[in-house]
Amino acid sequence: NAGVTQTPKFRILKIGQSMTLQCTQDMNHNYMYWYRQDPGMGLKLIYYSVGAGITDKGEVPNGYNVSRSTTEDFPLRLELAAPSQTSVYFCASRTADKLNQPQHFGDGTRLSIL
Amino acid sequence: GENVEQHPSTLSVQEGDSAVIKCTYSDSASNYFPWYKQELGKRPQLIIDIRSNVGEKKDQRIAVTLNKTAKHFSLHITETQPEDSAVYFCAASIVGGGSNYKLTFGKGTLLTVNP
Repeated sequence: NAGVTQTPKFRILKIGQSMTLQCTQDMNHNYMYWYRQDPGMGLKLIYYSVGAGITDKGEVPNGYNVSRSTTEDFPLRLELAAPSQTSVYFCASRTADKLNQPQHFGDGTRLSIL
Repeated sequence: GENVEQHPSTLSVQEGDSAVIKCTYSDSASNYFPWYKQELGKRPQLIIDIRSNVGEKKDQRIAVTLNKTAKHFSLHITETQPEDSAVYFCAASIVGGGSNYKLTFGKGTLLTVNP
């Protein structure tokens, strides 16, 4: 049982390049989330999904896109990388079965855009 | 939307002392309040949580208190140890009734426990 797995762990991009951050979970969780964490700041929600085929914007969605074709996978796409997107990105998932259940986080992807 | 304020941003204590971190939230509909601990370079991990129908919850050296009327909740760590050094985040959410279980996080508190 691996939990939430994110790849890659580190990446350096040039301005204007695109990339996809991968997130997969093996806990059969319906709910999945993407956050970004900037230095000295909390986690800000980028996008979330309540199930396969359903996605919605969070607090800071501009410059990102997501898809949810399966329960397991929730990739985050950066189309035109900008320096402001330099951050640590965390994917999280949660079961829909019970109320008092936490979000489980992956190890994060550290992304630098130069 | 929900707004969560967290204080202090940094906290330094001596080993064995207590540490208290406070958070306030704005949305009176929020009813679930988790606390996460994040060690340097690691993922956030849940350490304790509380529902709005409970005023206090304790787990060994860690306790959380909630004042629904004032819309604030606090994390209390007693007998602090060097391994408690980390960034602590509070969060608020609405659970139940078709909720999407989104979490709104505070900005975090860097706790340093000096030996």
